[in-house]
Amino acid sequence: QQQVKQSPQSLIVQKGGISIINCAYENTAFDYFPWYQQFPGKGPALLIAIRPDVSEKKEGRFTISFNKSAKQFSLHIMDSQPGDSATYFCAASKRGGGADGLTFGKGTHLIIQP
Amino acid sequence: DAEITQSPRHKITETGRQVTLACHQTWNHNNMFWYRQDLGHGLRLIHYSYGVQDTNKGEVSDGYSVSRSNTEDLPLTLESAASSQTSVYFCASTPGTVAGELFFGEGSRLTVL
Repeated sequence: QQQVKQSPQSLIVQKGGISIINCAYENTAFDYFPWYQQFPGKGPALLIAIRPDVSEKKEGRFTISFNKSAKQFSLHIMDSQPGDSATYFCAASKRGGGADGLTFGKGTHLIIQP
Repeated sequence: DAEITQSPRHKITETGRQVTLACHQTWNHNNMFWYRQDLGHGLRLIHYSYGVQDTNKGEVSDGYSVSRSNTEDLPLTLESAASSQTSVYFCASTPGTVAGELFFGEGSRLTVL
């Protein structure tokens, strides 16, 4: 049973546009929702994270929107740039849970066309 | 600078052979993890350790083992490599036991022929 469902699997956006990646979860015990960014040949790196006490978190051009009632969260990349081309993973873990409980989505391969 | 390194970065082996992938971190993190990454499956947890002499099975542990004799290293061993274990393997570490930022290595690409 997949605990975190991520969509789309791949996404092509024009330079300057908005990239949107969505994730949904079912386990209401989840309370930590990070996004990881992975460039080709590299390991994933934490991009931004949110806890459910806020509905939105913004860091530069990257924003997480969180909808607790719908059990959904999304990553928005404003003014997308070719350097944003990467694979993005959403993840979730339980309240007080250990790092071993971090469940990843299957990833979205994002291409920003110049 | 502190870091986490994996070796080898690329390896080709034959079915049935024993393979060990090394992971070394210099952050002095207690918690270390091994994931495998496959297209269509994302990142799946193989084994993890919360300290010296502590090892635990993850979601996809069959056919893999780890040992933790010191804080810095968590080697991953495939006792008898199978073609289904062809994958990219990532080691990660984190300082706390509660979920937080994972620091990943650059990966080891393993091909089992």
